[in-house]
Amino acid sequence: QSVLTQPPSASATPGQGVTISCSGGSSNIGGNDVHWYQQLPGTAPKLLIYRNKERPSGVPDRFSGSKSGTSASLAISGLRSEDEADYHCAAWDDNLSGWVFGGGTKLTVL
Amino acid sequence: QVQLVQSGAEVKQPGASVKVSCKVSGSTLSDLDIHWVRQAPGKGLEWLGGFDPGYEEITYAELFKGRVIMTEDTSSETAYMELSSLRSDDTAVYYCARLIQGLLDYWGPGVPVTVSS
Repeated sequence: QSVLTQPPSASATPGQGVTISCSGGSSNIGGNDVHWYQQLPGTAPKLLIYRNKERPSGVPDRFSGSKSGTSASLAISGLRSEDEADYHCAAWDDNLSGWVFGGGTKLTVL
Repeated sequence: QVQLVQSGAEVKQPGASVKVSCKVSGSTLSDLDIHWVRQAPGKGLEWLGGFDPGYEEITYAELFKGRVIMTEDTSSETAYMELSSLRSDDTAVYYCARLIQGLLDYWGPGVPVTVSS
């Protein structure tokens, strides 16, 4: 059971947009930054969004992040087939003194 | 450009120990804070522990305390994670990752560890 809660799956057609949610509590999302990772099949997680809404160099602006209270969201616009992957949210947890993650959301581009 | 190169797949029996490595290139290990995260098949990510720059020591997730040891060999630029008393539910891919400015920004390719009799 993951500390952060994500929907297990999401889907949309090419060109459409999708939003993936990540819900936590006051000790993690509520008080710390949220980061998002994209994990393509058979590969390691890759940083996609950091500090709630910042994009690393090379990440298209089709990807955006936001945070409000104890929840965060990852939005992807103009979906492409190569966006089909697992997406994980992460945050530091002050009570556990460690990193906590969501269970991951498998995005299918229909 | 920093790279984290991990050791190869492991198969272990229940009750045994496994030691996986994470070799740093393009930087020096002493300049990096290495953390370890695992992912069981079809599951989410789970943090095992890593170097806390604030306390300047390695900290472990409560769930793994007493069963995991993380060490570093600066002479070979390699970090190690040893997990003991293996059980079938320790079957997972074990990743090392770099902590920088408060986030895990770059991950190694992972080491599949299978625990089976």
